[in-house]
Amino acid sequence: DGGITQSPKYLFRKEGQNVTLSCEQNLNHDAMYWYRQDPGQGLRLIYYSQIVNDFQKGDIAEGYSVSREKKESFPLTVTSAQKNPTAFYLCASSIVYGTSYEQYFGPGTRLTVT
Amino acid sequence: AQTVTQSQPEMSVQEAETVTLSCTYDTSESDYYLFWYKQPPSRQMILVIRQEAYKQQNATENRFSVNFQKAAKSFSLKISDSQLGDAAMYFCAFQNAGGTSYGKLTFGQGTILTVHP
Repeated sequence: DGGITQSPKYLFRKEGQNVTLSCEQNLNHDAMYWYRQDPGQGLRLIYYSQIVNDFQKGDIAEGYSVSREKKESFPLTVTSAQKNPTAFYLCASSIVYGTSYEQYFGPGTRLTVT
Repeated sequence: AQTVTQSQPEMSVQEAETVTLSCTYDTSESDYYLFWYKQPPSRQMILVIRQEAYKQQNATENRFSVNFQKAAKSFSLKISDSQLGDAAMYFCAFQNAGGTSYGKLTFGQGTILTVHP
């Protein structure tokens, strides 16, 4: 089955620790994205990548880092510099139809930092 | 920068009835796409429907249809014959066409839809 997997579903960390969230896709999509969702708010873009070894900052990139060494994988590291890391994180990938990118989402990771 | 506004934090509907969720957006672009996503309690984001701005015809997917008013920058979602499984958070999203946007989505704040049996 093709799809996007994120692991783990729930993640707990102590303040001051870096943590890496996994995102893997086997849809052969070129573009991948990371979004953050907070209660009562819509999704906000953290980072996105159009191709391997290339990525750009989104609207709220401070305190986060990413890598794109393989087409299938786009891990997100939440660093200790991120002031409010507790949130629900969603990874997406997209297929291109002409000028439109249709995004498909993974199941998400709930990160709690105490 | 684009903004997307969903002015209804919560809506409710009786099973089998029709409900309309509102969305407005602001952009200076002429070519773009609009989407409605559904997020059920599982929190999995599911694409419901998409609309190309250059198409005057409103998109329809089974019980879901949109009312796209480009001049008014309005993009509402109509759910007909509501079912219990339609209960979810619904997000409106904007996407610039092509260029260097690389498919970035700008989301509204979401509308929680409750369906009463």
